[in-house]
Amino acid sequence: KQEVTQIPAALSVPEGENLVLNCSFTDSAIYNLQWFRQDPGKGLTSLLLIQSSQREQTSGRLNASLDKSSGRSTLYIAASQPGDSATYLCAVTLKAAGNKLTFGGGTRVLVKP
Amino acid sequence: SAVISQKPSRDICQRGTSLTIQCQVDSQVTMMFWYRQQPGQSLTLIATANQGSEATYESGFVIDKFPISRPNLTFSTLTVSNMSPEDSSIYLCSVDRGWSGELFFGEGSRLTVL
Repeated sequence: KQEVTQIPAALSVPEGENLVLNCSFTDSAIYNLQWFRQDPGKGLTSLLLIQSSQREQTSGRLNASLDKSSGRSTLYIAASQPGDSATYLCAVTLKAAGNKLTFGGGTRVLVKP
Repeated sequence: SAVISQKPSRDICQRGTSLTIQCQVDSQVTMMFWYRQQPGQSLTLIATANQGSEATYESGFVIDKFPISRPNLTFSTLTVSNMSPEDSSIYLCSVDRGWSGELFFGEGSRLTVL
């Protein structure tokens, strides 16, 4: 059974500092990995999707890497802003599981002005 | 991306009643998913809904408690039946658009059961 773990569970940084969020998964036979952002009481916003054949994806200040063999992904957010404060979730899709996502527990980020 | 609308956005319900949550997508999709997010927790898949067939439920979720309809390729409903306070959660609808496998989510329906 696929298990997804996110460390740390919470993170507080001053504005302008770079953020590094970690995600690990136990089964390397993934189809893809997604990073999401969730604001309190809201739905999920897709940030980045990395296919199993890719090693990284970039969008603006966000960069996500994927090391499938070691079962790890890292989300980097450069020059953090107070508006980046949210919970960040990673989720993986197993090849054998269709499009069903298995989520990590999330990292709650606070960027202090 | 996809535009996914959920109704209601939030509701407060009495124990023992049932509530139906609607999910409307702006274009046709094959697969729709329903997730639950309990307070302070991550998301757990309840079921997968394909048009024209019975929903497929994950371990720990049953049709009698969470009946799902999928009458066409842009709409689905999830009913939470005979509610108890333990059903207080955010319920989210999700769809798969395109070849990439990227999933998109609605804004969620926050349910509080008293």
